Amino acid sequence: QSALTQPDSVSGSPGQSITISCTGTSSDVGSDNSVSWYQQYPGKAPKLMIYQVSIRPSGVSSRFSGSKSGNTASLTISGLQAEDEADYYCCSHTTRITYLFGTGTKVTVL
Amino acid sequence: EVQLVESGGGLVQPGGSLRLSCVASGFTFNNYWMHWVRQAPGKGLVWVSHIKTDGTTTTYADFVQGRFTISRDNAKNTVYLQMNSLRDDDTAVYFCTRGQNGARDFWGQGTLVTVSS
Repeated sequence: QSALTQPDSVSGSPGQSITISCTGTSSDVGSDNSVSWYQQYPGKAPKLMIYQVSIRPSGVSSRFSGSKSGNTASLTISGLQAEDEADYYCCSHTTRITYLFGTGTKVTVL
Repeated sequence: EVQLVESGGGLVQPGGSLRLSCVASGFTFNNYWMHWVRQAPGKGLVWVSHIKTDGTTTTYADFVQGRFTISRDNAKNTVYLQMNSLRDDDTAVYFCTRGQNGARDFWGQGTLVTVSS
């Protein structure tokens, strides 16, 4: 598998909640709890938003939450704000001791 | 403050070589695994390689096997990526990142590698 599967785009109005899915296999997403999520603005370096499926690093808004069920992980952004408009990537450790990123999702705030 | 500063990118012809460097500061370098991640223009993030704290373990994505070599010098707080036999599709921004809790918690600003004749 070359990349985890994410929707190309997700949109929502300010204040709404959106969820981005990240689908893999039993050899990556489903193998352990190493799923992480990254936010990236155009021309900038990615920023870690969630690690170990659902843990927020210090300084990341509580509006961001993560979960996992089987081979699919999810990132939920609640209370959507204009500043959340960015690209989001999931990432998972694999059983081959490598890492696999998702295809990326562009979040648009309407 | 954690800082990762990459250098060494540039324009190289197909089949050529480049060595990227990443100097770390603001943390105890030899306590962390280090990774390289790349992003082709307009495309998504792709994990390239990582190296253990003491340099004894390295792993690579399938597409770079045998062409790229990751290494580190803990005395210089620096991680390297030696890239040989470069191809057009290696054109990308290469990010140096720190590994922590199975994630990459700090990223450099990246260095652009362009492979073109």
